[in-house]
Amino acid sequence: EAQVTQNPRYLITVTGKKLTVTCSQNMNHEYMSWYRQDPGLGLRQIYYSMNVEVTDKGDVPEGYKVSRKEKRNFPLILESPSPNQTSLYFCASSPPGTGLTGELFFGEGSRLTVL
Amino acid sequence: GDSVTQMEGPVTLSEEAFLTINCTYTATGYPSLFWYVQYPGEGLQLLLKATKADDKGSNKGFEATYRKETTSFHLEKGSVQVSDSAVYFCALRRQAGTALIFGKGTTLSVSS
Repeated sequence: EAQVTQNPRYLITVTGKKLTVTCSQNMNHEYMSWYRQDPGLGLRQIYYSMNVEVTDKGDVPEGYKVSRKEKRNFPLILESPSPNQTSLYFCASSPPGTGLTGELFFGEGSRLTVL
Repeated sequence: GDSVTQMEGPVTLSEEAFLTINCTYTATGYPSLFWYVQYPGEGLQLLLKATKADDKGSNKGFEATYRKETTSFHLEKGSVQVSDSAVYFCALRRQAGTALIFGKGTTLSVSS
């Protein structure tokens, strides 16, 4: 089944404790992206990647890191989480060559709480 | 900068009522426009899209027409069902970039 898989789905952690949210897609998509969803703010892009070893900042990259060593994986790293990073996070991917018109395929989301 | 504005929710309707969720955008160039739907506890999924002016996207009884003159992409459905209860997001993808810019979402609640 074609899908984007995120883990963990739920996590409660404490300020400053490094964590990684994994994202994997099995559709051979080149483009991958991370969003956070907050009440009243909608979805905002954190980072995106056009292909392996190519990443770039989105609208709200502060406090986050990403890597793209393999095509299928795009982990989101919080080196020192803070309470303002409490949010619902979504990973998404897009097929190659679709450019402007291609849809995004979303994972089911990871709800992170930082105490 | 580019942006998407959606009507505030929640929108509460009875089954079989007519639905309109307004969406307007600000963007340079000729963006593609999308409606995504998020059911409770799930990720977003594409509902419909339109890639040029006057295009109509449609799916599952929902429709939206890309109106460049009014910079709008309103979502409509003639007869809603309880199963349509979800959060609906209007979005655009800039012509020269890769980011999908979302509106804040509109919650629809349909009762029987």
